[in-house]
Amino acid sequence: GAGVSQSPRYKVAKRGQDVALRCDPISGHVSLFWYQQALGQGPEFLTYFQNEAQLDKSGLPSDRFFAERPEGSVSTLKIQRTQQEDSAVYLCASSGTDRGRDSNQPQHFGDGTRLSIL
Amino acid sequence: ILNVEQSPQSLHVQEGDSTNFTCSFPSSNFYALHWYRWETAKSPEALFVMTLNGDEKKKGRISATLNTKEGYSYLYIKGSQPEDSATYLCAFPKAAGNKLTFGGGTRVLVKP
Repeated sequence: GAGVSQSPRYKVAKRGQDVALRCDPISGHVSLFWYQQALGQGPEFLTYFQNEAQLDKSGLPSDRFFAERPEGSVSTLKIQRTQQEDSAVYLCASSGTDRGRDSNQPQHFGDGTRLSIL
Repeated sequence: ILNVEQSPQSLHVQEGDSTNFTCSFPSSNFYALHWYRWETAKSPEALFVMTLNGDEKKKGRISATLNTKEGYSYLYIKGSQPEDSATYLCAFPKAAGNKLTFGGGTRVLVKP
């Protein structure tokens, strides 16, 4: 498809398990973002890639969170030893421009992955 | 204002009525202000990216204004329809890149 694709749509895991969330951005988009949305709140920034380079990971809440984009297209967000507070919707977004003009460009979002930790 | 704030948190509107709500953001180091619409079970959809003080943008029955000096933006929905029911998010890039800081959203429910 032409949009940002995320999988799985829903993920239920037991506390302590590792999970991996996938994002397939719009083809050719340079910038890729991950956001976390807790219930009743707005999305919060986690990390940003420009092509394969992870330029900003300041929003990752702990060292249990790890993201990669090895070939500059598909990205994976991995959460190790999940905790209940990791339950949230994880959104991926992409945009097509280079960093210098990013502020003026809208981001294109996927449907998100709803993660529930039991 | 240090972060992005939206009010009200939720809004019930009768079909056919018009409504508006607010996004407040830091007025210093302004780069742009984004508005997104997020319908249940769908992905957030970009409505507007606003960059100039006094800017006004329109998309169908939805319009937005921007005041960068005082740090606020209004989003208006004219003649609300049930399909306008969604959460409306505003977002503010804090630096020249596009790392967005979102408000908590205004959840709009249009009642037939």
